[in-house]
Amino acid sequence: DTAVSQTPKYLVTQMGNDKSIKCEQNLGHDTMYWYKQDSKKFLKIMFSYNNKELIINETVPNRFSPKSPDKAHLNLHINSLELGDSAVYFCASSQEWDRVAFFGQGTRLTVV
Amino acid sequence: GIQVEQSPPDLILQEGANSTLRCNFSDSVNNLQWFHQNPWGQLINLFYIPSGTKQNGRLSATTVATERYSLLYISSSQTTDSGVYFCAVLNDYKLSFGAGTTVTVRA
Repeated sequence: DTAVSQTPKYLVTQMGNDKSIKCEQNLGHDTMYWYKQDSKKFLKIMFSYNNKELIINETVPNRFSPKSPDKAHLNLHINSLELGDSAVYFCASSQEWDRVAFFGQGTRLTVV
Repeated sequence: GIQVEQSPPDLILQEGANSTLRCNFSDSVNNLQWFHQNPWGQLINLFYIPSGTKQNGRLSATTVATERYSLLYISSSQTTDSGVYFCAVLNDYKLSFGAGTTVTVRA
């Protein structure tokens, strides 16, 4: 059983399109995150949710909108995709915000 | 925000060699994790280590929180140890990552 699963694993799309990445965790955790890994492999927090409530929005453009329908899901919707959005996006979860975080396998987004 | 520095940035090892990776952080933190990102891009938890020393097979880690650093030891390295090792510190509802150490183990 995959603990944190993201779909799709790869996403290639044209500039200006809108796309979504889905994330689900079956660990019973109450905190979920989105991280972005750039081409230099640097990982940075985008959003943090606790019990479906937004805790952190780390100066992410408002073209990115996370949605948490329940504690087990945190989806990421991106409007008007730009070339600079190309990156690997990781979803993660933890029992509480200061406990060990588990990461999904990542979604490689390529905007052409 | 908190600064996390890892050294060295790159490390090339002959199979069987031992090595030490270092992580320094600029402020007190609630916790610290070490990850291995394998060549397929997966981020694998290695250690969750706020303080003290832990061992897992050929890997061990030590965190000295009062001096704001952590060390990851790889002993008897194998080619499967290749990849990027990240240190990440927990503070203010998020993990802040270092830039990573890229380890290449040659047969």
